[in-house]
Amino acid sequence: QVQLVESGGGLVKPGGSLRLSCEASGFNFNDFYMAWIRQAPGKGLEFVVYISPNSGHRNYAESARGRFSIIRDNAKNSIYLQMNRLTVEDTAVYYCARGDQSWSEFFDSWGQGTLVSVST
Amino acid sequence: IVLTQSPGTLSLSPGERATLSCRASQTVNNNYLVWYQQRPGQAPRLLIYGASTRVTGIPDRFSGAGSGTDFTLTISRLEPEDFAEYYCQQYASSQLTFGGGTKVEIK
Repeated sequence: QVQLVESGGGLVKPGGSLRLSCEASGFNFNDFYMAWIRQAPGKGLEFVVYISPNSGHRNYAESARGRFSIIRDNAKNSIYLQMNRLTVEDTAVYYCARGDQSWSEFFDSWGQGTLVSVST
Repeated sequence: IVLTQSPGTLSLSPGERATLSCRASQTVNNNYLVWYQQRPGQAPRLLIYGASTRVTGIPDRFSGAGSGTDFTLTISRLEPEDFAEYYCQQYASSQLTFGGGTKVEIK
């Protein structure tokens, strides 16, 4: 079955950097868009970024553009989120999600998330 | 596209009908709207896409409807496992957006 496992979260100071990873299994990773979506504590869901199967298309939310960078490695069935210049507003659970095979821009499978805390 | 969900909280008893609203600030072309369920401590789960198409395996007590700017998710008879948070999301615009959520709680 589809499995998405995030890692790399933790506590970081404002202005710092963090790299999240998501390893996928149970499906043909090369065929699917992949995304990061976050959820601040007690808040709703917020789209961060998605990437196409061949990495040719990336779509960033305004809040992530210029600070975050998504990368995928199809050989390792993985995506990564490099986050720079972090602020307290970036504190959230970050979910890795798979885009629907036909429409890509909604998400039919989600990982359990990794918590990023930005604090002094 | 800003999505506004109402009510913020819905207090109902098992067996009752739940009607959740998702209103868009502009037309959601092609009814490119989905609904997710999120139980406490869990990741979201896709329920409905294209405003009204149920995902395989989702019970038929869940139904979606609407077009343009007004969409609804209806749970015909609430089961204990349905008490959760529900989010709508539009994919008509490249800037994907979610609604703020509706919590369905036990009365």
